[in-house]
Amino acid sequence: NAGVTQTPKFQVLKTGQSMTLQCAQDMNHEYMSWYRQDPGMGLRLIHYSVGAGITDQGEVPNGYNVSRSTTEDFPLRLLSAAPSQTSVYFCASSYADTGGYGYTFGSGTRLTVV
Amino acid sequence: AQRVTQPEKLLSVFKGAPVELKCNYSYSGSPELFWYVQYSRQRLQLLLRHISRESIKGFTADLNKGETSFHLKKPFAQEEDSAMYYCALSGSSNTGKLIFGQGTTLQVKP
Repeated sequence: NAGVTQTPKFQVLKTGQSMTLQCAQDMNHEYMSWYRQDPGMGLRLIHYSVGAGITDQGEVPNGYNVSRSTTEDFPLRLLSAAPSQTSVYFCASSYADTGGYGYTFGSGTRLTVV
Repeated sequence: AQRVTQPEKLLSVFKGAPVELKCNYSYSGSPELFWYVQYSRQRLQLLLRHISRESIKGFTADLNKGETSFHLKKPFAQEEDSAMYYCALSGSSNTGKLIFGQGTTLQVKP
């Protein structure tokens, strides 16, 4: 099993450009989420989804859009890139079992906006 | 408000010394607490979750609801333990989202 796959691994954008970060999971997990990782700030939740067709905002949603048309995919769209969006982005999928939630993270996308 | 605080940005110890990475949380219900580890520029890996009460790589963590803490401990640090450690909280409701602390870099010197 691939687990959680993120593409691309690296990306450089110019200010104002748009792009989509891809995230796919093959574990049939119900929940998926996007985080950004910045030095000294830990990981902050951008958007999350509790199932296909259902998404909600996290702590830092401005400038990002998501959709969840299938259980497997949860793309993150940057509408008009800004230097403040330079970060490492992680996608995660999770499930709930009797022992709590199990989370699996992707390997990350390192984005630089110039 | 839900919050996770890791007061130390950097913890530096010598090999063989005990390690304690601090984590405090704020949550009104019954949280589920996790410790994640991230080795240099790699993906986050689950180290521990309080509900399973297991020990991984010699690390343990006990949830103290009175002090709202979930400190990570290891009696004898190894050089391969050098990494970034994140404490995280998941609420009791079914949302699948994690609240992370700021992270603590553990540096184990030879």
